[in-house]
Amino acid sequence: EAQVTQNPRYLITVTGKKLTVTCSQNMNHEYMSWYRQDPGLGLRQIYYSMNVEVTDKGDVPEGYKVSRKEKRNFPLILESPSPNQTSLYFCASSLVGRKETQYFGPGTRLLVL
Amino acid sequence: DQQVKQNSPSLSVQEGRISILNCDYTNSMFDYFLWYKKYPAEGPTFLISISSIKDKNEDGRFTVFLNKSAKHLSLHIVPSQPGDSAVYFCAASSGAGSYQLTFGKGTKLSVIP
Repeated sequence: EAQVTQNPRYLITVTGKKLTVTCSQNMNHEYMSWYRQDPGLGLRQIYYSMNVEVTDKGDVPEGYKVSRKEKRNFPLILESPSPNQTSLYFCASSLVGRKETQYFGPGTRLLVL
Repeated sequence: DQQVKQNSPSLSVQEGRISILNCDYTNSMFDYFLWYKKYPAEGPTFLISISSIKDKNEDGRFTVFLNKSAKHLSLHIVPSQPGDSAVYFCAASSGAGSYQLTFGKGTKLSVIP
């Protein structure tokens, strides 16, 4: 089954404790992206990657890091989480040239205390 | 400054009637528009899109209309079904090579049986 998986689905952590949210897709997609969804703000793009070792900032990259060492994986790293990073996070992927059909993962709900 | 606006946070429609969801944009560089549908606890799924060279695109019960002069697009669902109850996000991008999507805040559609 074609899918984008994210782990963990739910996470409660404390300020300053480094964490990683994993994202993996099994569709051989070149393009992958991270979004956050906040009440009243819709989805905002954090980082994206056009292919292995190619990453770029989205609209709200501050406080986040990403890496793309393998085509299927695109982890989101919070080196020192803060309460304003409490949010619902979505990973997405698509074929280059088919940006309309971005497949989204189920989401990771993060609470930073 | 929000570039993609969905001014109605919610909409209720009777089953069988037409649902009309609206979206306005301010960035005249946007040339590709998409609608995504999101159920609770799931990631958004692509619904329908339209290029700026068209003014209408139809797919089954879903039709998207684009009025470039007014910087306005709308999604029509006819007939509405209870399974259409979800949050609908409007998104836009600029340039064929751009994969950055700018999302609106979303409209929650409730279809009443």
